[in-house]
Amino acid sequence: DQQVKQNSPSLSVQEGRISILNCDYTNSMFDYFLWYKKYPAEGPTFLISISSIKDKNEDGRFTVFLNKSAKHLSLHIVPSQPGDSAVYFCAAILSFAGGTSYGKLTFGQGTILTVHP
Amino acid sequence: NAGVTQTPKFQVLKTGQSMTLQCAQDMNHNSMYWYRQDPGMGLRLIYYSASEGTTDKGEVPNGYNVSRLNKREFSLRLESAAPSQTSVYFCASSGRPDQTYEQYFGPGTRLTVT
Repeated sequence: DQQVKQNSPSLSVQEGRISILNCDYTNSMFDYFLWYKKYPAEGPTFLISISSIKDKNEDGRFTVFLNKSAKHLSLHIVPSQPGDSAVYFCAAILSFAGGTSYGKLTFGQGTILTVHP
Repeated sequence: NAGVTQTPKFQVLKTGQSMTLQCAQDMNHNSMYWYRQDPGMGLRLIYYSASEGTTDKGEVPNGYNVSRLNKREFSLRLESAAPSQTSVYFCASSGRPDQTYEQYFGPGTRLTVT
């Protein structure tokens, strides 16, 4: 049962244009969401996050949008750069589970972003 | 400040062999995690340690054991390796859950079981 889904395995974008990566979740109890970026042969690195009490969070070229009614979040990268080429994972957290909050992440399958010069 | 370190980077095992993957963090984080990454599956949690002295099962714990040796170190042991355990293994750590949910990952260990 995949609770967090990234339905697009790959995305190809021209440099300077917008990249939009999508993520859907099924568990309405998730209350915090994160995006990670992963280069080959490296570990994932944290990119940006959003709490369920917000619908948008911006950090430079990166913006995450959350639509709770649709159980959908998206990551916008504007403008896209060749260095953004990587695998992007979305992740969700149940911040309280069994009375303890231990930050247990549930990841999507990942989307490979390729930005062409 | 090295962050999260993992050893070894690569390992090849024969079916039935055992090994321990080592992980250490120097960020004074309370929580540590072990994940495996398989093609098309994202990262799946194997075991985690919310704080020193505690460990709990994640989504895919079968065939693995863990030890939280101290606040810095969290090891993952395969007692009898199987080809299904061929994967890339990542260790991660995070601060107090009531302060931040961000996890910081190590570079990974690529394990092949033949």
